[in-house]
Amino acid sequence: IAGITQAPTSQILAAGRRMTLRCTQDMRHNAMYWYRQDLGLGLRLIHYSNTAGTTGKGEVPDGYSVSRANTDDFPLTLASAVPSQTSVYFCAPGGNFGNGTRLTVT
Amino acid sequence: EDQVTQSPEALRLQEGESSSLNCSYTVSGLRGLFWYRQDPGKGPEFLFTLYSAGEEKEKERLKATLTKKESFLHITAPKPEDSATYLCAVQAAGGYQKVTFGIGTKLQVIP
Repeated sequence: IAGITQAPTSQILAAGRRMTLRCTQDMRHNAMYWYRQDLGLGLRLIHYSNTAGTTGKGEVPDGYSVSRANTDDFPLTLASAVPSQTSVYFCAPGGNFGNGTRLTVT
Repeated sequence: EDQVTQSPEALRLQEGESSSLNCSYTVSGLRGLFWYRQDPGKGPEFLFTLYSAGEEKEKERLKATLTKKESFLHITAPKPEDSATYLCAVQAAGGYQKVTFGIGTKLQVIP
């Protein structure tokens, strides 16, 4: 999707390791969101930010943290990955979705 | 708690065979209802936002309608390239910007 960059596109991570998923937009949306998508459960909101400098917890925030230092960047950090965090992660500035990061925690 | 139920879970159509996808919802005050299309390995692609009962929106072969309890995505004379998973989501009025998604309807259009 033009204007949204998520990196990496996929990653295999050992349990207990720290990982930051990156999201950058050039559309200048104030609101940004992180979702995870799991088979049979749909998209669930992890964290959100209404504007630079503010963040909030979504439906499934445990084990994840975010920061919003500026309008364009909204990284998602897994402090100590667990297998249940295996999922596809989508960043969604203004409700427009990137192509996701497929994360496997082993 | 806000809920979104989509039916059917999967739908197989012949090319040209029109049909409708259903999205039933419960929400404490609707701010907006969204339809997205998702292709395998990709992020959801925004299609429509509906705000109030009676509203309709169209895009090519797709038409979305809204009542107080459900939304329909009508697909007229579908083509194989319409094959995708269609997601419905609702946003509640007030509070933080929480959007609740359905699990989706996987549509396959056969030539």
